[in-house]
Amino acid sequence: AQTVTQSQPEMSVQEAETVTLSCTYDTSESNYYLFWYKQPPSRQMILVIRQEAYKQQNATENRFSVNFQKAAKSFSLKISDSQLGDTAMYFCAFMKGGGATNKLIFGTGTLLAVQP
Amino acid sequence: DVKVTQSSRYLVKRTGEKVFLECVQDMDHENMFWYRQDPGLGLRLIYFSYDVKMKEKGDIPEGYSVSREKKERFSLILESASTNQTSMYLCASCARTETTEAFFGQGTRLTVV
Repeated sequence: AQTVTQSQPEMSVQEAETVTLSCTYDTSESNYYLFWYKQPPSRQMILVIRQEAYKQQNATENRFSVNFQKAAKSFSLKISDSQLGDTAMYFCAFMKGGGATNKLIFGTGTLLAVQP
Repeated sequence: DVKVTQSSRYLVKRTGEKVFLECVQDMDHENMFWYRQDPGLGLRLIYFSYDVKMKEKGDIPEGYSVSREKKERFSLILESASTNQTSMYLCASCARTETTEAFFGQGTRLTVV
């Protein structure tokens, strides 16, 4: 069974600085997808960034980038130039590829507070 | 815009009641999920459905059942609500493609008294 671990329950960062959220996962699959989702106080969960395991290049989306280390099974999220609107719970998630019945498995989340 | 709509944002029910949580998506997605979110435990998968009338148990199915009679609607049923089912419930849907993104409802905060 796949598992996703986020070892940082809470983090804090000053506005305009950079912060990195950690995620590790465990799987024996070779074809899978990794995601970071953001849940602000409004509770609406939205996708931040996605990484396909077969791609060596790390995904980036504006101020958000990942460090994907496949051998180490590590998938960290870097937020550059942090903004107050980045304050949210961040969840790392895993989905096995190649099938119709694949579950989306989440970690326990990291609560990020951006301080002014 | 993709929309996943959950029928209630807040719900208060009594112990022993049968509770229905409804979720509707408007993007013709094949896959739908029900999660339970608790502090420190993240999102735990209760059930998911990959087609009409098809379902699979997630990690914590005990005390819950689901129904998917139409593609756009996925219902979570608490047969006899208990206080330990007080939680936030999130519904999600996604297409059956390799680079799929899941879309979420706004959640239902259920309190069982």
